[in-house]
Amino acid sequence: KNQVEQSPQSLIILEGKNCTLQCNYTVSPFSNLRWYKQDTGRGPVSLTIMTFSENTKSNGRYTATLDADTKQSSLHITASQLSDSASYICVVSPRLTGAGKSTFGDGTTLTVKP
Amino acid sequence: DVKVTQSSRYLVKRTGEKVFLECVQDMDHENMFWYRQDPGLGLRLIYFSYDVKMKEKGDIPEGYSVSREKKERFSLILESASTSQTSMYLCASSSQGADNQPQHFGDGTRLSIL
Repeated sequence: KNQVEQSPQSLIILEGKNCTLQCNYTVSPFSNLRWYKQDTGRGPVSLTIMTFSENTKSNGRYTATLDADTKQSSLHITASQLSDSASYICVVSPRLTGAGKSTFGDGTTLTVKP
Repeated sequence: DVKVTQSSRYLVKRTGEKVFLECVQDMDHENMFWYRQDPGLGLRLIYFSYDVKMKEKGDIPEGYSVSREKKERFSLILESASTSQTSMYLCASSSQGADNQPQHFGDGTRLSIL
């Protein structure tokens, strides 16, 4: 069964600090991995998308890395801001099975404190 | 910007009622999705559609049906609502083609069944 596990479940950091969120998956064969940010009361918003041939992708202060051999991804947030407080969701899609077969992680809840 | 609009942010219905959740997207996307999101369970796919009048079951279709009569509109129907269907419902859309297309989400409908 395809699985996506995220860690930690929750994280509290001080404004201005960096942090790294982890995502391990068992989806195979692998097509792409996406990170989403979900603010409280809103829908998820795409941060990065990486295919199996990419190992890093940046979006402003967010940098995602991918190791397809070990089936691990991380999302690094630099110089955190209060607005980074949100849930971060890792989503992995298998190859050749169509749009509806993505597996979602349970998310990491990040709280940035002043 | 892609806009996915869900008809209601909050909805309260009674057990046994037939409930309609509506979703409209404005980017001519072929794919549309319905998810439910529950604490500790992440996003779970209920149904998705890759074309008008086409639909496929997701992971948890029981108790739900969908309708896609027009490309921009995807409706989720709870045939006879039960308290177990109290949840946050998220609609999403994406373009077809390469697998590395992000899904664009609406802001969700928080549905309570009493």
